[in-house]
Amino acid sequence: GNSVTQMEGPVTLSEEAFLTINCTYTATGYPSLFWYVQYPGEGLQLLLKATKADDKGSNKGFEATYRKETTSFHLEKGSVQVSDSAVYFCALSTPTGNQFYFGTGTSLTVIP
Amino acid sequence: NAGVTQTPKFRILKIGQSMTLQCTQDMNHNYMYWYRQDPGMGLKLIYYSVGAGITDKGEVPNGYNVSRSTTEDFPLRLELAAPSQTSVYFCASSYSTREVGEKLFFGSGTQLSVL
Repeated sequence: GNSVTQMEGPVTLSEEAFLTINCTYTATGYPSLFWYVQYPGEGLQLLLKATKADDKGSNKGFEATYRKETTSFHLEKGSVQVSDSAVYFCALSTPTGNQFYFGTGTSLTVIP
Repeated sequence: NAGVTQTPKFRILKIGQSMTLQCTQDMNHNYMYWYRQDPGMGLKLIYYSVGAGITDKGEVPNGYNVSRSTTEDFPLRLELAAPSQTSVYFCASSYSTREVGEKLFFGSGTQLSVL
């Protein structure tokens, strides 16, 4: 079946620290992979995506590389800001299915 | 651009009451979803629809019902509210999961408390 396993939180970092949030997946076929972000009091919004092996998705300084050999899609940012404080969700979809599959979310707090 | 619109934003129900959470999208998306998000937990899929007249159960459908009479609207009904249904509910839509890389658009959520 399809599933996403995400690094447990919460994560607390100082401003300008390096961020990694781990995500691994299990999927039938060739999934598309996503990172969504949820700011306090809001719905989820797409942060970045990748649709095939070795693709790198990037947005707002965040990056994630689709690694088929390790079935991973880790989220990274070189220097976090206070405004990056949010909950981050890894997700996948497959062209043969009707659903999106989400990880449990990782809460990030960045302190000045 | 409205996107996905959910109403109400907040609601308090008494045990046993009924209510409908409204969701509408103006992007002509075929696929629509209802999720619930409990504190500290991820998203759990309640029901989804791949087009008007077609609905299917997700991971946690008990206590809920849905209908999809139009492409735009996908209401979620709670018939006999229970404290276990206290949660934040999100509606989402997508053109199709079968298009590679097609993303989900989320509404801003409904915070429901059952007391």
